Amino acid sequence: DVKVTQSSRYLVKRTGEKVFLECVQDMDHENMFWYRQDPGLGLRLIYFSYDVKMKEKGDIPEGYSVSREKKERFSLILESASTNQTSMYLCASSSAWGTASNYGYTFGSGTRLTVV
Amino acid sequence: RKEVEQDPGPFNVPEGATVAFNCTYSNSASQSFFWYRQDCRKEPKLLMSVYSSGNEDGRFTAQLNRASQYISLLIRDSKLSDSATYLCVVNKRTGNQFYFGTGTSLTVIP
Repeated sequence: DVKVTQSSRYLVKRTGEKVFLECVQDMDHENMFWYRQDPGLGLRLIYFSYDVKMKEKGDIPEGYSVSREKKERFSLILESASTNQTSMYLCASSSAWGTASNYGYTFGSGTRLTVV
Repeated sequence: RKEVEQDPGPFNVPEGATVAFNCTYSNSASQSFFWYRQDCRKEPKLLMSVYSSGNEDGRFTAQLNRASQYISLLIRDSKLSDSATYLCVVNKRTGNQFYFGTGTSLTVIP
């Protein structure tokens, strides 16, 4: 069964802390994505990656960075956490070879981050 | 204008009812369309792809109208277990990125 695993389900961090959110997929997918989801705003793309060591900014990259050192792992980094980064963070992956057109994304179960 | 727009609802319907959701998209070059289902505090999961000719999966029917740039989801004989938020998803013009609607909330009442 296809799987995307996010390391933490719930996380509470203090303002100014550096925060790492980890995502691992076991489907050998080329594409990986980080979204945040907020009430009334839906899912917004933060960063994505089409290949190892490759990254592209999404719609709201400010205050975030990413790392993709291995194909299966895509990390989201909050350089200095702020209260407006309190949100649900969702990782997703998809194949590069056309199947995304048929199957869309597979999401991880999400990390609910609270910054206090 | 948002890339994908949905009526947020909520839709409260009795068991057995038929309910329909619509979604409009702004990018006429979009090629891939989906409906996702998201349960409370869970991740979105693919419900069904939407094909040009329309497609059906059990009680669920999805339709695409390219000329008017909208997609629809029809749920027949609603079950309590259908209660969830339904997300409309459309791909961007390039690559495998998608735009997500903010979701339509459905509650099926006994």
